[in-house]
Amino acid sequence: QVQLVESGGGVVQPGGSLRLSCAASGFTFSSYGMHWVRQAPGKGLEWVAFIRYDGSNKYYADSVKGRFTISRDNSKNTLYLQMNSLRAEDTAVYYCAKEGVVQGVVPFDYWGQGTLVTVSS
Amino acid sequence: SYELTQPPSVSVSPGQTARITCSGDALPKQYAYWYQQKPGQAPVLVIYKDSERPSGIPERFSGSSSGTTVTLTISGVQAEDEADYYCQSADSSGTFHVVFGGGTKLTVL
Repeated sequence: QVQLVESGGGVVQPGGSLRLSCAASGFTFSSYGMHWVRQAPGKGLEWVAFIRYDGSNKYYADSVKGRFTISRDNSKNTLYLQMNSLRAEDTAVYYCAKEGVVQGVVPFDYWGQGTLVTVSS
Repeated sequence: SYELTQPPSVSVSPGQTARITCSGDALPKQYAYWYQQKPGQAPVLVIYKDSERPSGIPERFSGSSSGTTVTLTISGVQAEDEADYYCQSADSSGTFHVVFGGGTKLTVL
């Protein structure tokens, strides 16, 4: 069965950095694009970033462009999100999600359980 | 514009039909997708490509599209359907974008 397990969340000061990981299993990770989506406390879903199956293309929301970097290691079946210059408004639960169709980008057919990032002094 | 607009809340009694709308200028050219999210849980896909239902999703969930508006319909609403619902669209052929609507809280009275 498909499993996506995020880790790496925690409390960080404004301006700090954090790296999230998403360990994937139960499917051929190297064949699917992957996303990061976040949800601020009590708010809606916000798409953050996408990386194609082979890492050849990466896309970002304007709100994180230049500060966040998505990457993947297909040999380790792991997705990453490097977050730099963190701001209070980056506080959210961060989910990784799998594209449902090879190279289709959407829909997101499987999601992780999320990891909480809190940016606070 | 890549914005999707949903009503903040919809309320229905058990057994009634709930309709949740999602409006966006790009919807005539792009498919819409719907996700259900219950408190403390990750979202679950309930409708894809405007009106297709993934395996395991009850038949009472359906989707439709007309112009710039897509609609998620839940027939014979049950208490367990109380949740937040989000529409989504994406365009990977031109300027890449993935967008969610603001979400609709469905309350079962």
